[in-house]
Order: sequence, then structure tokens, then C-alpha cells
Amino acid sequence: KQEVTQIPAALSVPEGENLVLNCSFTDSAIYNLQWFRQDPGKGLTSLLLIQSSQREQTSGRLNASLDKSSGRSTLYIAASQPGDSATYLCAVRANFGNEKLTFGTGTRLTIIP
Amino acid sequence: NAGVTQTPKFRVLKTGQSMTLLCAQDMNHEYMYWYRQDPGMGLRLIHYSVGEGTTAKGEVPDGYNVSRLKKQNFLLGLESAAPSQTSVYFCASSSDAAFYTDTQYFGPGTRLTVL
Repeated sequence: KQEVTQIPAALSVPEGENLVLNCSFTDSAIYNLQWFRQDPGKGLTSLLLIQSSQREQTSGRLNASLDKSSGRSTLYIAASQPGDSATYLCAVRANFGNEKLTFGTGTRLTIIP
Repeated sequence: NAGVTQTPKFRVLKTGQSMTLLCAQDMNHEYMYWYRQDPGMGLRLIHYSVGEGTTAKGEVPDGYNVSRLKKQNFLLGLESAAPSQTSVYFCASSSDAAFYTDTQYFGPGTRLTVL
């Protein structure tokens, strides 16, 4: 059974710093991995999607990497801003039973002005 | 273009009561999903649909029923609510054009409390 872990559960950093969020998964047989952002009381917004054959994806100040063999992904946020404060979740889609996304429990990020 | 909307936003039920959560999307998506989000457990898939008139079980389907009579709507029903069903429920949809590569679009959620 696929398990997705995100450590730490919460992270606070001063504004302007670069930071890395971590995601690990137990079964490397994945089709793709996504990073989502969730603001308090809101739904999820997709940030980046990485196919299993890709190593990284970039969007603006965000860069997501994937090392499938080691079961790890990172989300790098450059020059953090208070508006980046949110919970960040990663989710993997399996090769088998592709309708299902397995989510991590998220990292709650706070950017201190 | 409203995206994915959910009704209601909040609801309090007593044990044994029934209710229906409505999800609507205006993106002409084929696929729709219902998830629940609980503290420390991440989002878990309850039921999903790959098109009008179809439904399938997800990871945690017990105690829930769904219907997809119209392409744009996906209903989640609780026939006899239990305190264990206290959760935040999210609906999502995605396109069939690139099912395995396209992202899912989420609604704002329904916060349900069962007393």
C-alpha cells in the first residue's frame, strides 16, 4: 500500500528566504506526482505536476524535483513571501488503479514578514 | 466560469440523519471525485465517476452513496450519518482529454459535523 509522508508538519521561515518542502513515498511505481497548495478553509490548487519520466518542473518561484528510485520529491520555493503561507500537499498517482491519488498530510508553511 | 462549486459549505447533523452534498462543475469534465480530509490522515478518495451515469468505489466508500445523473453534477449521500463521518468533504473534477496527466480541480469543501 502506497504511503506518502511529508515532514515537517509545520515550518516557519522569515520572508525572503529560500526553502525546501519534502515529500517521500514508499512505492516507487508511480505515474506522476503533484504538489498542491491549500489555503485555510479552501480547496486545493494544483501547483506542479511531474511525470514519472521527468526529474523536475518549474513554475515561477517554484521548482519541484522527483527522484522516483529513492521515493522522494522536493518543492523549492525561492524568495519566499507572506502570500506563500499555506499548507502544501503532495500526491502520487499509481501506475495501477490510476484513478486514485494518494495524498500526504501536508506541511503548513508560515512566512514571517 | 465558477469552476467546481459545493453546496452546502457547512452542515451539522445528528447521528442517524441523512443528507446529500452537491458538487457542480462547469468545465465539461468527464471525471469527478469525492474526497474526505481528516486531521493527520490526508485526503482519501470516497467515490469517483468517469462519466455521466457511472460511479465507482474509492478507498473509503462505506456509509456513502453517490450518483452522477448529469455530467456536471456529482452527489454524495449519507443515508444514516455517524460521528465518524465528521470531516471536510471535497469534490474535484478532471478532464478526460489527458486523464493521467491532467490535474484535478477542487471545490472549496463542505465542513460536516455529526453529533
